[in-house]
Amino acid sequence: KAGVTQTPRYLIKTRGQQVTLSCSPISGHRSVSWYQQTPGQGLQFLFEYFSETQRNKGNFPGRFSGRQFSNSRSEMNVSTLELGDSALYLCASSFDRGRMQTQYFGPGTRLLVL
Amino acid sequence: GNSVTQMEGPVTLSEEAFLTINCTYTATGYPSLFWYVQYPGEGLQLLLKATKADDKGSNKGFEATYRKETTSFHLEKGSVQVSDSAVYFCALRGDDYKLSFGAGTTVTVRA
Repeated sequence: KAGVTQTPRYLIKTRGQQVTLSCSPISGHRSVSWYQQTPGQGLQFLFEYFSETQRNKGNFPGRFSGRQFSNSRSEMNVSTLELGDSALYLCASSFDRGRMQTQYFGPGTRLLVL
Repeated sequence: GNSVTQMEGPVTLSEEAFLTINCTYTATGYPSLFWYVQYPGEGLQLLLKATKADDKGSNKGFEATYRKETTSFHLEKGSVQVSDSAVYFCALRGDDYKLSFGAGTTVTVRA
């Protein structure tokens, strides 16, 4: 079974631009979560989608948004990019919601904002 | 809220040495606990998990036991190899369903 895939793997943008990242979960998985990883803040939860609905959101500004499609694929969008948005963005999928469900991570999209 | 505290390292060991990475947590209810590993340039891979008190997770020679009385989930391996060099993250998933991570511990194993 294929793992979680993320595209693109690398991105370079300039301040003020917007960016869209894509995530395809493991086949059959319905929950998709996004995390931001930076050297200073570590791994921080962005949001979770399940059945095309946002179920949970972390402490990020409204510039960060996402959506999930009927096939469980998910996208996240960051508008008006800032230098501090440079990070590795990780997508994770799990079969269902619930504290015992294991989240499986993709390789990440590395975003550099200049 | 939920939180995880782990020793940050870095930790440098010789091959075949014993490895311990301490992890303690704060959470309401009964969270599930995880250890993830991240190799350079890659995403996170699940190493092991435990979903209830006294459960022991194990994989690839690594072990961790869910200790509710001490709110801990320490990772151990009896004999490390160079290929175990990576960053290790302790995490919990509680009733809010999101993963809360520790800061990560960088482990370097020298031949």
